[in-house]
Amino acid sequence: DAGVIQSPRHEVTEMGQEVTLRCKPISGHDYLFWYRQTMMRGLELLIYFNNNVPIDDSGMPEDRFSAKMPNASFSTLKIQPSEPRDSAVYFCASSLRSSGNYNEQFFGPGTRLTVL
Amino acid sequence: KNQVEQSPQSLIILEGKNCTLQCNYTVSPFSNLRWYKQDTGRGPVSLTIMTFSENTKSNGRYTATLDADTKQSSLHITASQLSDSASYICVVTPTGGADGLTFGKGTHLIIQP
Repeated sequence: DAGVIQSPRHEVTEMGQEVTLRCKPISGHDYLFWYRQTMMRGLELLIYFNNNVPIDDSGMPEDRFSAKMPNASFSTLKIQPSEPRDSAVYFCASSLRSSGNYNEQFFGPGTRLTVL
Repeated sequence: KNQVEQSPQSLIILEGKNCTLQCNYTVSPFSNLRWYKQDTGRGPVSLTIMTFSENTKSNGRYTATLDADTKQSSLHITASQLSDSASYICVVTPTGGADGLTFGKGTHLIIQP
């Protein structure tokens, strides 16, 4: 298995532009997570899905952020309009729910977003 | 509010030396505690996982310990290698909220030759 795949790996955009980040989870995994990582705040959970359904989006910073999972093999995180403070590394992770809460999350390589 | 505090923030040691990283948490009740290793420019990778009833877990030169009474965990690295240079992140999963992970900010470890 290729693991979790994210694209693009790097994105540089100007303030006000729309940004779309993409994720392909590990085949067979039923949970998908979006995270944001900065030096100041570390890793923050933005939203997660179970069987393509959003379960908890309380970590989404504001209405400019939206996420979708149209099928089991694809998810997007969209920022519109983007702002300089959105600059961070965005990770996607997936897991297979198992008993005992041993559901290890497998992370993708991340997308480094820079908003000028 | 559930919190995970890690120390030190950063650490530099010489190759071949041992080191210990600390993690204190307030998540309660908790289901399990996991240590992740994150190489520069990559996503985190799980090193160890312990439930509340486990005291220690090893993965090669990495040994994690857990004291559920004091809500402390440590990650001990033996005979460090240059490839151990990375950030080490402590993650706690609360009971009943298996997906509501609480992350520490990590310890940045640098191994010098």
